[in-house]
Amino acid sequence: GAVVSQHPSRVICKSGTSVKIECRSLDFQATTMFWYRQFPKQSLMLMATSNEGSKATYEQGVEKDKFLINHASLTLSTLTVTSAHPEDSSFYICSARLASSYEQYFGPGTRLTVT
Amino acid sequence: AQTVTQSQPEMSVQEAETVTLSCTYDTSENNYYLFWYKQPPSRQMILVIRQEAYKQQNATENRFSVNFQKAAKSFSLKISDSQLGDTAMYFCAFMKHNEGTYKYIFGTGTRLKVLA
Repeated sequence: GAVVSQHPSRVICKSGTSVKIECRSLDFQATTMFWYRQFPKQSLMLMATSNEGSKATYEQGVEKDKFLINHASLTLSTLTVTSAHPEDSSFYICSARLASSYEQYFGPGTRLTVT
Repeated sequence: AQTVTQSQPEMSVQEAETVTLSCTYDTSENNYYLFWYKQPPSRQMILVIRQEAYKQQNATENRFSVNFQKAAKSFSLKISDSQLGDTAMYFCAFMKHNEGTYKYIFGTGTRLKVLA
């Protein structure tokens, strides 16, 4: 149980375009989903927290107009990187939390490369 | 603000030996959770072990155990009988108890290599 998927696993896009990453909780309802960014050989940096049906809460220094997060249902959250630039290239990881638990379950991550 | 420090960027251990990864944290909270996560080359985050701060007994999961010293704010991970599959990045994480957002604060990680 408690499986989280991400799609796509890898994506390459051109500078200036937008790309959407999906995060799904496959066998549970997630009231809260989290989006992280991980640079090579570094730790996970929390970008934002999203609660189903409400606006995401962004961490300090994260541009909310650049990283659009939507959590329209209890099983799906999306992260859209708008007007992507090469410096947005990174590994993006989502996690989901059960309403009855404090623990987060992680997706397998999405590698974004902006050319 | 809470911080989590992992002072060992890299470690290595011979297969079948025991290794201890260190983690210290800073908080003024009394109730919180601590975690160790493993991130193998696949990059999938895998929960290794968790500890509730109100529990005095150290958590154990098969070959993995922790030494939780609340007063010293230390939370080390001991891996016994190391296996090649234990090669990974290990992250220590802190979470406040009863905080609505349930956010993790991760340490910088320790890269562990198990040698054959």
